[in-house]
Amino acid sequence: NAGVTQTPKFRVLKTGQSMTLLCAQDMNHEYMYWYRQDPGMGLRLIHYSVGEGTTAKGEVPDGYNVSRLKKQNFLLGLESAAPSQTSVYFCASSNRGSPPSGANVLTFGAGSRLTVL
Amino acid sequence: SQKIEQNSEALNIQEGKTATLTCNYTNYSPAYLQWYRQDPGRGPVFLLLIRENEKEKRKERLKVTFDTTLKQSLFHITASQPADSATYLCALLYTGGFKTIFGAGTRLFVKA
Repeated sequence: NAGVTQTPKFRVLKTGQSMTLLCAQDMNHEYMYWYRQDPGMGLRLIHYSVGEGTTAKGEVPDGYNVSRLKKQNFLLGLESAAPSQTSVYFCASSNRGSPPSGANVLTFGAGSRLTVL
Repeated sequence: SQKIEQNSEALNIQEGKTATLTCNYTNYSPAYLQWYRQDPGRGPVFLLLIRENEKEKRKERLKVTFDTTLKQSLFHITASQPADSATYLCALLYTGGFKTIFGAGTRLFVKA
C-alpha cells in the first residue's frame, strides 16, 4: 500500500519556467491538499480539493494552479516559476467523516524539493 | 487570522526523561487539535488528535492536553528514547472546515 506518492522528488528550475508536481493516493480519500514548507514558517496550504473536479484556494495560492481530474490524482502547476517558490512541497490526503478515522487526519507524501534559480 | 505558536528553539533532553512540547494559538478554539511527527526529509505523520471538549488523550507513551481557556495544548513523551528525536507539529482544524492549520514545529533531541 503506497499511500501518497509525489513526483518528482527533486527539481531545479530557472525563473520563468513551468512545471507540474504530481500527487497520487491509493486510499480512496475524498480530500487532497498541497502545502509548502519553508524554514521557520511551518506548512502553508496552497490549494485543496474536496472531490473530483473541484478545487479551492488555500492560504498562499498565488502563482500556482491545480487540477483534480481523477479522484486519486491532484496536480500542482507553476506556470512561471519565481525564486520565492523555492520550497519543499507536500501533498496530503484525508477521508471524509469524523475523526479519528475520518476527516482531516492527513496522510502526507514524502515531499518534492523545488529550487528556482 | 489564526496563529499557532510553537517553541522555535530545539528541546534537548536526556533519554528516559519526559519531553513536554507546547502549542499556543490565538483567536477562537479549534474543534480538533492534532499532533504530527516529522523526520528530516520526510512528510509529517499523524500521532494524536484531541477534541475541543476533551481535556486529555493518551496513546502509549504519548499524552496530549487541551486547555481552551489558556488556548494551549501540551504534548508529552514519557520515557523518551533517542528514536523520539524529530520535529513535532501542532495543527488545528475548525468545525465545518477542510483546512488544517499547522505550527512551525519544535525540534526534539533525545540524548542517550
